[in-house]
Amino acid sequence: AQSVTQPDIHITVSEGASLELRCNYSYGATPYLFWYVQSPGQGLQLLLKYFSGDTLVQGIKGFEAEFKRSQSSFNLRKPSVHWSDAAEYFCAVGQAGNMLTFGGGTRLMVKP
Amino acid sequence: DTGVSQNPRHKITKRGQNVTFRCDPISEHNRLYWYRQTLGQGPEFLTYFQNEAQLEKSRLLSDRFSAERPKGSFSTLEIQRTEQGDSAMYLCASSAPGAGGYGYTFGSGTRLTVV
Repeated sequence: AQSVTQPDIHITVSEGASLELRCNYSYGATPYLFWYVQSPGQGLQLLLKYFSGDTLVQGIKGFEAEFKRSQSSFNLRKPSVHWSDAAEYFCAVGQAGNMLTFGGGTRLMVKP
Repeated sequence: DTGVSQNPRHKITKRGQNVTFRCDPISEHNRLYWYRQTLGQGPEFLTYFQNEAQLEKSRLLSDRFSAERPKGSFSTLEIQRTEQGDSAMYLCASSAPGAGGYGYTFGSGTRLTVV
């Protein structure tokens, strides 16, 4: 069965600092991988997705993620964090047309 | 295109009562998904529809839960004889055909509190 682990429950970074959120997945075939962001009381917004091809994918709001098959990882990065990035971030793996399996999430706090 | 709309936004109910939530997907999207998110956790898949057909159901969807999507448009999720463990955010999402299976758009969710 597929699963997703986000090892960091909370992360605090200073505004302007770089960010990396970790995601490890377990999936038998080539995975479809996603990062979503959720602000308090809101639904989830897709930041980026990986299906195939270039292992470095660019997303919205200046985020990028790198797929590393050998490490079963899909870490999310941003070079300079803004206060508005404070939110909860979810990594997910899925199959085409079917459900997504989400990790437990990482809550990001941004210090001024 | 107003996105995925969910109603109500919040629902407080007494244990044992029945509740029903509604989801209106983006009009041209043929796939509709329901997820449940408990506090501090990631969303968990409940069920999904392609047009009016319910194609997959999670084992989380006990016999107290039922979902419908008449005419392939809006969907309802009903919980009968609610329990305190049903307290959660219920999220609906829709996706377009040919979007590689994805391109989910999520609604803002319905937060259920069972007292």
